[in-house]
Amino acid sequence: GAVVSQHPSRVICKSGTSVKIECRSLDFQATTMFWYRQFPKKSLMLMATSNEGSKATYEQGVEKDKFLINHASLTLSTLTVTSAHPEDSSFYICSAIQGARYEQYFGPGTRLTVT
Amino acid sequence: GQQLNQSPQSMFIQEGEDVSMNCTSSSIFNTWLWYKQEPGEGPVLLIALYKAGELTSNGRLTAQFGITRKDSFLNISASIPSDVGIYFCAGHVGGGADGLTFGKGTHLIIQP
Repeated sequence: GAVVSQHPSRVICKSGTSVKIECRSLDFQATTMFWYRQFPKKSLMLMATSNEGSKATYEQGVEKDKFLINHASLTLSTLTVTSAHPEDSSFYICSAIQGARYEQYFGPGTRLTVT
Repeated sequence: GQQLNQSPQSMFIQEGEDVSMNCTSSSIFNTWLWYKQEPGEGPVLLIALYKAGELTSNGRLTAQFGITRKDSFLNISASIPSDVGIYFCAGHVGGGADGLTFGKGTHLIIQP
């Protein structure tokens, strides 16, 4: 149990375009999902908390108009990077909470490269 | 915001040796989690700790939640080649569904 998937695993896009990343909880329902960003050889940094049926909560310094989050169902959250620039290139990882205890399960990540 | 100080940053050990790494914080956490991440993949949960003083094992891994709630350690006994990876501690403060604060990671390298 507690499997989280992400799609795509890798994406290359041109500067100025938008990219959508999907995060799915495969065998459980997740009212809350999280989006993290990780630069090479660095730790994970929380970007936002995605709540099913309501607006996402963004961490300080994260532009909500640039990183659009939609949590339309209990098993799917999407992150859209709008008007992508090379500095948005990074490893994006989502996670979800399963059950009553606080344990986050992570997806396999999406490698975004903006050219 | 909260910060987690994780050490050591990297470890070069011989296969079969025991490993110890730890995380400290200036503020209290109510939950401590330990993850392992391999290149190009998401972190995998190893051990979750919920109570101060709690000592939990998962195979050759043992982790403890410090009494002060400001620290935690992870031990790996009799290391094997597949233990190679980056180990992260993570803390959770509140009672609600908040994101995690991560340590900077410990890169474990095992020499055969």
